Amino acid sequence: DIQMTQSPSTLSASVGDRVTITCRASQSISHWLAWFQQKPGEAPKLLIYQASILESGVSSRFSGTRSGTEFTLTISSLQPDDFATYYCQHYNSFPWTFGQGTKVEIK
Amino acid sequence: QVTLKESGPVLVKPTETLTLTCTVSGFSLSNARMGVSWIRQPPGKAPEWLAHIFSTDQKAYHTSLQNRLTISKGTSESQVVLMMTNMDPVDTATYYCALTARGGYGPFDYWGQGTLVTVSS
Repeated sequence: DIQMTQSPSTLSASVGDRVTITCRASQSISHWLAWFQQKPGEAPKLLIYQASILESGVSSRFSGTRSGTEFTLTISSLQPDDFATYYCQHYNSFPWTFGQGTKVEIK
Repeated sequence: QVTLKESGPVLVKPTETLTLTCTVSGFSLSNARMGVSWIRQPPGKAPEWLAHIFSTDQKAYHTSLQNRLTISKGTSESQVVLMMTNMDPVDTATYYCALTARGGYGPFDYWGQGTLVTVSS
């Protein structure tokens, strides 16, 4: 199975900060990676797919990049609504797996 | 508008079989672009993908749980069913169904609200 290693597990930041979350795959997954945002009591929400394509309706302050098996999610200017937990998930081949999550907290 | 809703028991006893139903509205399960997965999330932990079914009825399962899982289309054309045998307290989680409308493979465009299943005697 492909392992997704996400870092950091927790991130403290202030409104307006630029925030970067990293996800590393244990083997090649090409660009078959999605990023989700989850708030307490809610289902995950798709932000980015195919590593860098912004889902319709998602703010352009979110962006994704890929370098080999390393993927990053960047929030250009953190807003109050962005404090949440973020997960990466590969869908290159079965079984699909999620990263362990990054909780973005208010500093 | 595409919506998904999970239904099933909120409490099951250890060793029992869990049966969950996902009812999909606004998208046909016979659409070739369709794929539906079941995903669970224990309290305070990351989501864990469990199983997936395509419009062709092809299926895929979590590696270590595959002997306990069965995913299928329900008797209704708008339903996907997950059965999980020999439930244990560690299986306590919120269970979600999620749909991808991009050729059957991820990402998950739509999610249900989730249903919390507790395993306890």
